[in-house]
Amino acid sequence: GQQLNQSPQSMFIQEGEDVSMNCTSSSIFNTWLWYKQDPGEGPVLLIALYKAGELTSNGRLTAQFGITRKDSFLNISASIPSDVGIYFCAGQWQGNKLVFGAGTILRVKS
Amino acid sequence: NAGVTQTPKFQVLKTGQSMTLQCAQDMNHNSMYWYRQDPGMGLRLIYYSASEGTTDKGEVPNGYNVSRLNKREFSLRLESAAPSQTSVYFCASSGGQGSKLEQYFGPGTRLTVT
Repeated sequence: GQQLNQSPQSMFIQEGEDVSMNCTSSSIFNTWLWYKQDPGEGPVLLIALYKAGELTSNGRLTAQFGITRKDSFLNISASIPSDVGIYFCAGQWQGNKLVFGAGTILRVKS
Repeated sequence: NAGVTQTPKFQVLKTGQSMTLQCAQDMNHNSMYWYRQDPGMGLRLIYYSASEGTTDKGEVPNGYNVSRLNKREFSLRLESAAPSQTSVYFCASSGGQGSKLEQYFGPGTRLTVT
C-alpha cells in the first residue's frame, strides 16, 4: 500500500524556537493534510494543501505542497508550550481515502 | 454542533467477546471512516463508507465489520475480540462543501482486549 515517511520521529522544542518537519513518499499525492493530536484526543486538522507548490499559513504554522507532489513540510514559528503533541501528515489516495504518516512527537526541553 | 461523537470512550473486553463501537456526525457529511491507532504506526484505515448505503475495506479490515446505519451513523463491530485488537479507535467524517477530503475526527475509543 501507500507509505508516507515522516521525519523527524520526535524532537524537543524550547519556547520561541522555530520547528520544521516533513513528509515524503515514493508516490504522487493530489492533496496533503497536516493534523495535530493532543494526548487523549482525536487529531485536529491544521492545514490542507490542494495544489503542487502551494504555500499556506495558519497563524504561526506554514505548510507547503512539494512541487513533485511527493512531499510536504510543516513549519511552526516561535513555538509555545501548547505546541507539544503529535503532528501527522496525510496524503490523499483512491478517492476520499487518506494515508497517514507515523507522526512527529513534539516535546518540551526541560 | 457536536461534530463527530463516539461511544464508549473506554472499553475492556475478554478474548472472544463481541462489541460495537458507535459513531455519529452532525455535519451532514457523506463519507465516514474507521481508523485504529497503535503506538508508532500512525492511523490505519479499517473500513470506510463513501456515502450512505456503501461500505468498503481499508488497509486492515480483518476481524471487523461495519454498518452505515444512515447518513449520520457508522458503527464498527468486533465479532470475536482478540488481544491484537487492543488499540485506540477513531471515527472520522468528510464531505463538506468545497472540502470533501478534509476529515474530522471524533475523540476516540480506547479498547483493551485481555
